[in-house]
Amino acid sequence: QVQLVESGGGVVQPGRSLRLSCAASGFTFSSYAMHWVRQAPGQGLEWVTVISYDGSNKYYADSVKGRFTISRDNSKNTLYLQMNSLRAEDTAVYYCARNIAAAGTGTRWFDPWGQGTLVTVSS
Amino acid sequence: SYELTQPLSVSVALGQTARITCGGNNIGSKNVHWYQQKPGQAPVLVIYRDSNRPSGIPERFSGSNSGNTATLTISRAQAGDEADYYCQVWDSSTACVVFGGGTKLTVL
Repeated sequence: QVQLVESGGGVVQPGRSLRLSCAASGFTFSSYAMHWVRQAPGQGLEWVTVISYDGSNKYYADSVKGRFTISRDNSKNTLYLQMNSLRAEDTAVYYCARNIAAAGTGTRWFDPWGQGTLVTVSS
Repeated sequence: SYELTQPLSVSVALGQTARITCGGNNIGSKNVHWYQQKPGQAPVLVIYRDSNRPSGIPERFSGSNSGNTATLTISRAQAGDEADYYCQVWDSSTACVVFGGGTKLTVL
């Protein structure tokens, strides 16, 4: 079955870096764009970034632009999120999610989502 | 940037119909997707492209979208439907995903 498993979360001091991973299985990873979405404690969902199926296109939310970098290794079926200059407000559960798009409609949605990994930025 | 507005909470009696709205400027011209998130769990897609149900989602879940409001309707509400529900669109003008703030559904 389609499965996404995140890892790499933990406690990190402000200003430091962390890299998250998302291991994909059960589908042809190299055919799908992938996203990271985060959720601060007790808050709603916030889209973070997306990468195209081949890694050639990347888009970021303004809140992370210039600090976070999304990448992928299709040979390893793995998605990454490099997070630099971390701030307290980056504390959240980070989910990876597969992009589903309907050709010609200009829309996209997420299915499925991973179980998430918690990042806590604190001194 | 494009914004989506959801009520913070909606209550429904057991077995009755719940309606959760998602407001946005001319949202009827966009495709809206809905997710269910239970406590401690990842979100799950329940409606895509306004009114389509993924496999495994009960027929009790339906969606509509017109004008400035999209609506998720849950018929014959069950205790297991208690969750947070989020609407989502793709804003092609900014190449960004937009989520609504989420609605907590309580089944009484």
